[in-house]
Amino acid sequence: NAGVTQTPKFRVLKTGQSMTLLCAQDMNHEYMYWYRQDPGMGLRLIHYSVGEGTTAKGEVPDGYNVSRLKKLNFLLGLESAAPSQTSVYFCASSPTGEIDTQYFGPGTRLTVL
Amino acid sequence: GQNIDQPTEMTATEGAIVQINCTYQTSGFNGLFWYQQHAGEAPTFLSYNVLDGLEEKGRFSSFLSRSKGYSYLLLKELQMKDSASYLCAVKDSNYQLIWGAGTKLIIKP
Repeated sequence: NAGVTQTPKFRVLKTGQSMTLLCAQDMNHEYMYWYRQDPGMGLRLIHYSVGEGTTAKGEVPDGYNVSRLKKLNFLLGLESAAPSQTSVYFCASSPTGEIDTQYFGPGTRLTVL
Repeated sequence: GQNIDQPTEMTATEGAIVQINCTYQTSGFNGLFWYQQHAGEAPTFLSYNVLDGLEEKGRFSSFLSRSKGYSYLLLKELQMKDSASYLCAVKDSNYQLIWGAGTKLIIKP
């Protein structure tokens, strides 16, 4: 089992460009999450999904959109990248949203110039 | 607001014991998690506490006091591979994980 995978691993964008980050899990988990991690701060939840076809906003959703058309995939989109979105992005999944442990992907390091 | 506090950095010696503290103020409580994160890697699950007391798992133990809003992670017989950041996270009343900024643990020979 690969667990949770993310593509790409690294990306450099110019301000105003768009991109999509892909997250895939092979554990058939219901819940999936997108976080960003910045130096000196805890992980912050961007958006999450409680099942195929559903999405919800987290703590810092502005500037991002998500889609969960298939249960095993969760996409994070940046329509018009800004330097403030330079960060490391982690995808995670869990069987349910209650007390289950979250399993993380390896992360995507994004730089916006 | 919701807040998780933990020390920014700690240093310990190989073979020794270290305790990493975490205090929290959240809207509701549905469990506390500790994760380990090596530099440049993803967080991985270490422990979960929902009731007061000590949970032991090999060299790692985690303690919780809900009345004090306090937890600690105890690492025994430190090894160089334990050099990592340790993240404390609390599930609030909405089952959302609130994360601390992490404690960077440096192990010296």
